[in-house]
Amino acid sequence: GAVVSQHPSRVICKSGTSVKIECRSLDFQATTMFWYRQFPKQSLMLMATSNEGSKATYEQGVEKDKFLINHASLTLSTLTVTSAHPEDSSFYICSATGDSFPNTEAFFGQGTRLTVV
Amino acid sequence: QKEVEQNSGPLSVPEGAIASLNCTYSDRGSQSFFWYRQYSGKSPELIMSIYSNGDKEDGRFTAQLNKASQYVSLLIRDSQPSDSATYLCAVEGGSYIPTFGRGTSLIVHP
Repeated sequence: GAVVSQHPSRVICKSGTSVKIECRSLDFQATTMFWYRQFPKQSLMLMATSNEGSKATYEQGVEKDKFLINHASLTLSTLTVTSAHPEDSSFYICSATGDSFPNTEAFFGQGTRLTVV
Repeated sequence: QKEVEQNSGPLSVPEGAIASLNCTYSDRGSQSFFWYRQYSGKSPELIMSIYSNGDKEDGRFTAQLNKASQYVSLLIRDSQPSDSATYLCAVEGGSYIPTFGRGTSLIVHP
């Protein structure tokens, strides 16, 4: 399978600060990237879908001004959690897919565990 | 709204047995079906994909798809304790956005 690298794996930040999470496809061109959030013992919740060079499409209930997504190149997408609060503490995971894969197989990054104190 | 249903479990099987995981979906237009394994505290890992009716085997894993009945299953033969994880079913119907089930927790006990 393809490799998707997500960084950082863990981050602790103070309430009110912003945190940027990077998601990189290392060996393929990621035409589409997905950002998910997962709370303990719950399923993946899709936050947004981003296509290279386009604005991200956010799922209902996800604040686009709070969760800024940039997909400026075919190998990099970033998620910035702005003015983070303790309720934003969660496991954030990106996944990526590309035209070189059959039928939209998507590969996940390692995830970022965000703790807001 | 597209839905993917899985029994949350836990499904407990003895080591060496066959574990059977099931998933149903609501969108008849779904075209691509995936099984992911997620260990606690880790991100999901793609283990199987299937696109046409029937069985697809890969090592100890067999995915089964029945579009008429709108279900997809995953069989794990010779289950090992290392197979203990949550298994996520994902379905995609042409929008390039997969819909995930809530996952089934599998416990393989020695």
